[in-house]
Amino acid sequence: NAGVTQTPKFQVLKTGQSMTLQCAQDMNHEYMSWYRQDPGMGLRLIHYSVGAGITDQGEVPNGYNVSRSTTEDFPLRLLSAAPSQTSVYFCASSYSGGMNTEAFFGQGTRLTVV
Amino acid sequence: GQQLNQSPQSMFIQEGEDVSMNCTSSSIFNTWLWYKQEPGEGPVLLIALYKAGELTSNGRLTAQFGITRKDSFLNISASIPSDVGIYFCAGQKTSYDKVIFGPGTSLSVIP
Repeated sequence: NAGVTQTPKFQVLKTGQSMTLQCAQDMNHEYMSWYRQDPGMGLRLIHYSVGAGITDQGEVPNGYNVSRSTTEDFPLRLLSAAPSQTSVYFCASSYSGGMNTEAFFGQGTRLTVV
Repeated sequence: GQQLNQSPQSMFIQEGEDVSMNCTSSSIFNTWLWYKQEPGEGPVLLIALYKAGELTSNGRLTAQFGITRKDSFLNISASIPSDVGIYFCAGQKTSYDKVIFGPGTSLSVIP
């Protein structure tokens, strides 16, 4: 099993550019989410999904959009990148019955906005 | 908003020593989780705790769910170099609530 796969692993964007961070899982998990990790701040929830067709905002949703058209995929879109979005982004998935309890994380995407 | 505090922020210890770290909150949680993150990787679940007072082990790691439900503790016995990483606690109020992560404790082991 591949688990949770994130692409790309590294990305540099110019301010104002848009891009999509991809996340796919092959464990048939209902719950998927996106976190950003900044030094000294742990992991902060951006958006999450409890199943295909359902998404909701986390702690820091501004500047990001998500969609969940299939169980397997949960892409994160930056419509107009800003330097404040420079961070490491993690996608996570977990079994049904709990939002990210015992979640499996991807390897992360390191994003730099210049 | 909800916040978790972890202490210490960082630790430098000699190989073979025991390690203790804790996580505290101003809110009550019904689930406590401990994750480890190695450089360049995503966090990996170490131990999950679901009941106040619960003590759970995973090899050399032991975690406890505090009686007050506002704290949790992680101990590592006889540390080895591969224990190096950042240890995150995480709490969840109910099964359908969001998971809140602490800022992490960075552990360095000196061979």
